[in-house]
Amino acid sequence: AQTVTQSQPEMSVQEAETVTLSCTYDTSESDYYLFWYKQPPSRQMILVIRQEAYKQQNATENRFSVNFQKAAKSFSLKISDSQLGDAAMYFCAYRSGQGAQKLVFGQGTRLTINP
Amino acid sequence: DAGVIQSPRHEVTEMGQEVTLRCKPISGHNSLFWYRQTMMRGLELLIYFNNNVPIDDSGMPEDRFSAKMPNASFSTLKIQPSEPRDSAVYFCASTVAGSYNEQFFGPGTRLTVL
Repeated sequence: AQTVTQSQPEMSVQEAETVTLSCTYDTSESDYYLFWYKQPPSRQMILVIRQEAYKQQNATENRFSVNFQKAAKSFSLKISDSQLGDAAMYFCAYRSGQGAQKLVFGQGTRLTINP
Repeated sequence: DAGVIQSPRHEVTEMGQEVTLRCKPISGHNSLFWYRQTMMRGLELLIYFNNNVPIDDSGMPEDRFSAKMPNASFSTLKIQPSEPRDSAVYFCASTVAGSYNEQFFGPGTRLTVL
């Protein structure tokens, strides 16, 4: 079974600075997808960014980018120019590229933005 | 466009009562997922449907939990009888079946069992 591990329960960063959230995963599959979801206090789950395992190029979405290291099974999220609205829980998630479509989530990292 | 709709948003009930959570997926989506979020276990899949058919219910904790999807626009998750340990946030998500497609989450139902 696949597992996802987020080793940082909490992180904090100064507004306008850059922060990196860590995620590692374990799988024997070669075809899969990785996601970062944001959950603000409203508890709505919002997709931040996604990465296909077969793509070597790291995904970027405006201030959000990932560092995908397939051999190391690492998928970190970098947030540049942090804003107060970025404060939330961030979840890393894995989905198989074949068969099961379910998301397997990490335990989450609570990100605090200091003004 | 309306997103995934869940009702109720909050539910408080007493132990032993039946609880029914409802979900309306996004129109045109053919996969529907029920997840549960707790402090202890995080976010975990309970069950998911493709084209109204349950595909994987291995996450359903026990026989007290049941889920149905009678048509493409409606699903229910029922707990009977409810127990305090069922207290959690229950999310419904939907997507178009396919490897790359994003799952869209509803706002969740916060269930408290006293």
